[in-house]
Amino acid sequence: LAKTTQPISMDSYEGQEVNITCSHNNIATNDYITWYQQFPSQGPRFIIQGYKTKVTNEVASLFIPADRKSSTLSLPRVSLSDTAVYYCLVGDWGTDKLIFGTGTRLQVFP
Amino acid sequence: DTEVTQTPKHLVMGMTNKKSLKCEQHMGHRAMYWYKQKAKKPPELMFVYSYEKLSINESVPSRFSPECPNSSLLNLHLHALQPEDSALYLCASSQETAVYGYTFGSGTRLTVV
Repeated sequence: LAKTTQPISMDSYEGQEVNITCSHNNIATNDYITWYQQFPSQGPRFIIQGYKTKVTNEVASLFIPADRKSSTLSLPRVSLSDTAVYYCLVGDWGTDKLIFGTGTRLQVFP
Repeated sequence: DTEVTQTPKHLVMGMTNKKSLKCEQHMGHRAMYWYKQKAKKPPELMFVYSYEKLSINESVPSRFSPECPNSSLLNLHLHALQPEDSALYLCASSQETAVYGYTFGSGTRLTVV
C-alpha cells in the first residue's frame, strides 16, 4: 500500500485558491488517487479521484504529474465552510483496503 | 436514498455492558466497512464485508464483533470495552471496490466509562 505524506495544516483566507499537495513516492501502476473532506464529528466525504493528468469537478481539481509520485488538490476561491481536514488516499482499483493518511487541516479565515 | 445511516449517534457504556452499533444503506452497495476514529487522528480500518461476508479484519480485538445480517445492514457488537475504545465509529459502503469511493455515515460517538 502506497504511503502518503501531506502537510499537517494550512491556513488561507476566503476567496483564495488553496492547493494541497500529497506525496506518494511508491505509488503502484494500478493505484488511483482519491481525496476526501471531513468536518468535525462527521464521516469523510468523497471529493475527487484521478489516475493521471488533471481531473476537475464542480468543487475541486486534481493535478497529477506524469510520474504520479505526487498529486495536488486545488480548491478554487475557498470559503469559511471549506475549513475541514482533507485526506489523500492511494489504493489499487481492486482493493477494499484503503488507508487514510494523517490528513491536512485547512483553516479558512474571513 | 443515497445515505448511510448510523444509530445511535451517541452511546455511553460501562466496561461490563454489551451494546451494538447499527449501520444501514439502501444504495445496493456491495461492500460495507467499519472504521474507528480517535480525536484528531485519521480513520482506521477495522472490518470489511464484501457480499455479506467478512473479507478483512484488521486484527481487531475480539471485544468488537461485526455482523452483516443482509446486504443493507451492518452491526458492530461491543462487549467488555475499555476506556481507550472511546472514539467515533464510522460505517461506510461502496458500490464497487473502495477505490471507487466510500459513502460514509455520520458515525456513532462512543464513550466507555
